[in-house]
Amino acid sequence: AQSVSQHNHHVILSEAASLELGCNYSYGGTVNLFWYVQYPGQHLQLLLKYFSGDPLVKGIKGFEAEFIKSKFSFNLRKPSVQWSDTAEYFCAVKDTDKLIFGTGTRLQVFP
Amino acid sequence: DTAVSQTPKYLVTQMGNDKSIKCEQNLGHDTMYWYKQDSKKFLKIMFSYNNKELIINETVPNRFSPKSPDKAHLNLHINSLELGDSAVYFCASSQEPSLETQYFGPGTRLLVL
Repeated sequence: AQSVSQHNHHVILSEAASLELGCNYSYGGTVNLFWYVQYPGQHLQLLLKYFSGDPLVKGIKGFEAEFIKSKFSFNLRKPSVQWSDTAEYFCAVKDTDKLIFGTGTRLQVFP
Repeated sequence: DTAVSQTPKYLVTQMGNDKSIKCEQNLGHDTMYWYKQDSKKFLKIMFSYNNKELIINETVPNRFSPKSPDKAHLNLHINSLELGDSAVYFCASSQEPSLETQYFGPGTRLLVL
C-alpha cells in the first residue's frame, strides 16, 4: 500500500520568506497527489492536485507543487508566505479508492 | 449553502456512552467518507460509502458503525465510547470512489471523559 512522508513537522517562517514543504510517496506507477490545508479550527481544503500532465501544478493562494517522478516527491512551494498562511499542510496520495495522508506539517508565519 | 455539513460540531461525553455524528452533503456526490484525526493531527480514513454501499472499511473497531440512509447522508454511530476515541472526525465526499477531489466537512470534535 502507498504511504506518504512529510519530513518537516513544524516550520517557522517570517513573512515574505520562501516556503518549501517536502512530501514523498512510497512507490511509483500512476499516482494522483494532493495538498490540503487546514487553517486553525477549520476543515481541510484542497490547495492543489496532480493527476497527469505538467508536473508543475499551480494551486490557490499562490501555492505550487512539483511532481518529480524520479524522486517520488511532490513538494509544495510558495515564493513569499503571509501571516495568513499559518496552518497545517497535508500531502496525500490516492491508493485505489482512498486517500492516504501524510502526518502534516505545521507552518507558523510571524509578521 | 454549505457543501458538507456535520452535526454536532462539539461532543463531550462519558466513557461507555453511545453517540452519533451526522453528515450531509449537498454536492450531489456519490461517495462519502469518514476520517479520524488524532491529537497529533494524523488523518486516517475509517469508512467510505458509494451510493449507500460500504466500499472501504479500514481496521476500525466494530463499535463504530456507519449508516448511509441515502447517498447524501453518512452517519457515524459509536457504541461504548472509550477514551481513545477522542479525536476530530471529518466527513468528506467526492463524485466517485476513484477519486476526484474530496470535499471535507468542518469536523466534529469528540471528547470522551
